[in-house]
Amino acid sequence: QVQLQESGPGLVKPSETLSLTCTVSGGSINNYYWSWIRQPPGKGLEWIGYIHHSGSTNYNPSLKSRVTISIDTSKSQFSLKLTSVTAADTAVYFCARVTAPYRVNDAFHFWGQGTMVTVSS
Amino acid sequence: EIVLTQSPGTLSLSPGERATLSCRASQSVPSKFLAWYQQRPGQAPRLLISGASSRAAGIPDRFSGSGSGTDFTLTISSLEPEDFAVYYCQQYVTSPWTFGQGTKVEIK
Repeated sequence: QVQLQESGPGLVKPSETLSLTCTVSGGSINNYYWSWIRQPPGKGLEWIGYIHHSGSTNYNPSLKSRVTISIDTSKSQFSLKLTSVTAADTAVYFCARVTAPYRVNDAFHFWGQGTMVTVSS
Repeated sequence: EIVLTQSPGTLSLSPGERATLSCRASQSVPSKFLAWYQQRPGQAPRLLISGASSRAAGIPDRFSGSGSGTDFTLTISSLEPEDFAVYYCQQYVTSPWTFGQGTKVEIK
């Protein structure tokens, strides 16, 4: 069974860069599309972007100027960097995988448990 | 961007009752690109339904999905105690993938 685990600082200062890593275990990182999704406290879900194991990416236009998603297949990890953060970026950040290989248009079947990131000085 | 609007915002029901949740899209979404998720407090969302009507592995058959075009429905035929949670619809046909704002199913 595929498992995803987010890791990274729980507190980031305003204007700095939020950096998170998702480690994949129990399955291959190859041939799938891997996403980051966030959820502000008490609010709904926002898709941030995805990366394919080949390195191709697609970002939500609302965050595109500040987001970079990268992948390290040798470590079965992919990462999120979000620059110039503000309090509005405070959220639980989830990593997720689609159901089937090779399919970009697919539902999110596997999720990490999520990690809370607070932006505060 | 496709906007998904869920209704009602909150549904107050008793165990054993039927729940009907609605998801309306701002433009047509082919059925194969619409999913439903359940989220319990402090947990990650769990995929219930993909392709508008296909249950994910391990999902009980009291959960069913239907709809096409701009109107989709999630039905829980008889609520169990563990079903009281927040439910989200999501489209994955057009980037950016978007979610509805959620429907909370609470115990009456």
